[in-house]
Amino acid sequence: SQTIHQWPATLVQPVGSPLSLECTVEGTSNPNLYWYRQAAGRGLQLLFYSVGIGQISSEVPQNLSASRPQDRQFILSSKKLLLSDSGFYLCAWSIGSARGQETQYFGPGTRLLVL
Amino acid sequence: DQQVKQNSPSLSVQEGRISILNCDYTNSMFDYFLWYKKYPAEGPTFLISISSIKDKNEDGRFTVFLNKSAKHLSLHIVPSQPGDSAVYFCAASASGNTGKLIFGQGTTLQVKP
Repeated sequence: SQTIHQWPATLVQPVGSPLSLECTVEGTSNPNLYWYRQAAGRGLQLLFYSVGIGQISSEVPQNLSASRPQDRQFILSSKKLLLSDSGFYLCAWSIGSARGQETQYFGPGTRLLVL
Repeated sequence: DQQVKQNSPSLSVQEGRISILNCDYTNSMFDYFLWYKKYPAEGPTFLISISSIKDKNEDGRFTVFLNKSAKHLSLHIVPSQPGDSAVYFCAASASGNTGKLIFGQGTTLQVKP
């Protein structure tokens, strides 16, 4: 069966510090991978998605970036965090289909607090 | 522009009764719809989905109804249980859009014993 891991679970960082959040998927090959952010009291906002190694698409312009160095590894980064980067970050995976009707499965999330 | 809307931020239901959560969308290209359940500080859990070629899909206590002409879907939970208390998100995607999901803002369901 497939499993998705995210770490760390919780992170407190000062403004201006760098960020690296990691997501790995087990039990599947060549998944589509996604990063979402949920701000307090809000819905889920898609940040990045990837359909393969080295292929990253950005949905929202911001000071975050994503990379996919391996098939089942997705990393969210920032060189300098802003207060507005605080939130709950979720990684998700799906199996791509020609019809595009894919179900996404989410990891446990990382709560980031920027002070 | 909010393409997927859940206009009720919260819903309170008595245990054993029916819970009905609603969702509206504006993009006529959406053809796949999903419901997720989320507990605090956890990732969303997939509940049930429906393709636009259907108007109903049922899985145990959960049934999703789709009204394409009204661009409206709803999730029915019968009977409701206290463990169903959580935030429920509806989401939608369009074919050929790399499976990207557009989420509603969520509805907090409280099921009272």
